[in-house]
Amino acid sequence: DQQVKQNSPSLSVQEGRISILNCDYTNSMFDYFLWYKKYPAEGPTFLISISSIKDKNEDGRFTVFLNKSAKHLSLHIVPSQPGDSAVYFCAAAWQGGSEKLVFGKGTKLTVNP
Amino acid sequence: DGGITQSPKYLFRKEGQNVTLSCEQNLNHDAMYWYRQDPGQGLRLIYYSQIVNDFQKGDIAEGYSVSREKKESFPLTVTSAQKNPTAFYLCASSIQVLYGYTFGSGTRLTVV
Repeated sequence: DQQVKQNSPSLSVQEGRISILNCDYTNSMFDYFLWYKKYPAEGPTFLISISSIKDKNEDGRFTVFLNKSAKHLSLHIVPSQPGDSAVYFCAAAWQGGSEKLVFGKGTKLTVNP
Repeated sequence: DGGITQSPKYLFRKEGQNVTLSCEQNLNHDAMYWYRQDPGQGLRLIYYSQIVNDFQKGDIAEGYSVSREKKESFPLTVTSAQKNPTAFYLCASSIQVLYGYTFGSGTRLTVV
């Protein structure tokens, strides 16, 4: 049973435009969310996170939005660059004592020059 | 520099042989994790350890074994019982889950 879902396996965007990657979750205990970026044959690297006490967190070109009532979060990349082409994983945890992150299956983003 | 090291980067194994993947961290993290990545499957948890001399099975532990004798080290053995061992294996560590994981660069295991 997937608790964190990334329903789009892939996304293609033109350079300079906005990329929006979506993530849905089913476990209402989750109250902390993270995004990781992964290039082929490398380990994922942390990108940005958000706590459930916020609905938005920004870091440069990356913004994560959280809609708790809809159990939905999204990662916006503006403007998109070819170097952003990677697989993006959404992950969730809860402050009460998660022992591990729960990951989505990832979305492969391709930014075309 | 603090980090997490996986070795080797590429590993070839004959069918029926056990093989051990190394994972070492000098971040002083208590928790360590092993994941497997297959195309279209995302990251699937094999084993994790919150503390030395203790570890728990993840979602796909069958055919794998681990040990945690030292805080810095969490080796993964892929046994001959693992039916489809060819995959990209990732090790991670964490000081606390809410701070996220630090991942190693991965080991590509190919069974020949």
